[in-house]
Amino acid sequence: QVQLVESGGGLVKPGGSLRLSCAASGFAFSDYYMSWIRQAPGKGLEWVSYIRFSGNTVYYADSVKGRFTISRDNAKNSLYLQMNGLRAEDTAVYYCARDQDAFDFWGQGTMVTVSS
Amino acid sequence: AIQLTQSPLSLSASVGDRVTVTCRASQAISSALAWYQQKPGKPPKLLIYDASSLESGVPSRFSGSGSGTDFTLTISSLQPEDFATYYCQQFNNYPRTFGQGTKLEIK
Repeated sequence: QVQLVESGGGLVKPGGSLRLSCAASGFAFSDYYMSWIRQAPGKGLEWVSYIRFSGNTVYYADSVKGRFTISRDNAKNSLYLQMNGLRAEDTAVYYCARDQDAFDFWGQGTMVTVSS
Repeated sequence: AIQLTQSPLSLSASVGDRVTVTCRASQAISSALAWYQQKPGKPPKLLIYDASSLESGVPSRFSGSGSGTDFTLTISSLQPEDFATYYCQQFNNYPRTFGQGTKLEIK
């Protein structure tokens, strides 16, 4: 069965960095687009970033452009999100999701807290 | 960016009721719309894609309709497990955007 497991979240100071990982299993990872989506505490969903099969094409939300970098390693069935210059407003649960335009499978999420 | 406006933002209903949630896009998006259900502490679950296609395994009491700018999610007969928050999402272009969410509560 399809499984997505995020890791790497935690508490970081403003201006700091974190790298999130998403381990995929149960499907041919290299055949699918992937996205990161986040949800601030008590708030709605915000799409963050997208990556195509080989990683040649990526998109970002304006709110994270220039600070976050999405990447993937198809040999390791893994998706990543490098987050630099973190701000308080980046505090959220970060989900990875399989992207078929609609997001048909989601991980359980990893919490990122940006606070001094 | 395309804005999605859901209404109502909260809704109280009873088991067995028929419920409709609407989602309006700020510009035409053809049928590039999905609906999700989210329960507290859980990731969203895909219910409907392409505006009206039911995701595999989702009960048939859920249905979606619409195209262009106006869309609806209908639950024909509410069950206890349906009390949750519902989001629409457009995939016509980037950035992908979500509606604000509609919280469905028990009356």
